[in-house]
Amino acid sequence: AQRVTQPEKLLSVFKGAPVELKCNYSYSGSPELFWYVQYSRQRLQLLLRHISRESIKGFTADLNKGETSFHLKKPFAQEEDSAMYYCALRSWGKLQFGSGTQVVVTP
Amino acid sequence: DSGVTQTPKHLITATGQRVTLRCSPRSGDLSVYWYQQSLDQGLQFLIQYYNGEERAKGNILERFSAQQFPDLHSELNLSSLELGDSALYFCASSVDPREAIAGELFFGEGSRLTVL
Repeated sequence: AQRVTQPEKLLSVFKGAPVELKCNYSYSGSPELFWYVQYSRQRLQLLLRHISRESIKGFTADLNKGETSFHLKKPFAQEEDSAMYYCALRSWGKLQFGSGTQVVVTP
Repeated sequence: DSGVTQTPKHLITATGQRVTLRCSPRSGDLSVYWYQQSLDQGLQFLIQYYNGEERAKGNILERFSAQQFPDLHSELNLSSLELGDSALYFCASSVDPREAIAGELFFGEGSRLTVL
């Protein structure tokens, strides 16, 4: 069965420090993975997708099929990065989310 | 606002009651998804519709049902409500899950249901 695991419920980092949000998945096919973000008082929105290999707001995520991981990284966290982050796996048209990681960036 | 709209924003009701949550997708989006977000469970996929037809089903209880109408808006019906049904219910839409840009869902602000 498909599964998305985000082991950290809360990640607290200082401004300027690196931040890494872990995401592991289990899926028998070729995975399509995404990171979604929900800032305070805003809607859940797409941050980045693995297929695009893009960097958004300084965040990158690399799909590692060997480790079945799709960790989200940013070298220097900013206060505006404080938000809830969800890793998601697309299968059969539906998007399955992990349980989310709350990131708090303190000055 | 041409984004996904959900009504009502807040709803308080009693156990055993029935409620209907409504969702209007973004203009041009054919697919609608319903998710339940509770404190312990995170975002749980409930059901997906595409152009009026049920496309995928997740962890949706038998007490819950949904449909998508010809004008593409969708309703989620929750009946015989229990305390544990208290949650934030999100609707999302996308153009067509088969397209290359699929995977980007556009979310509404959610309907917060409180069952007392």
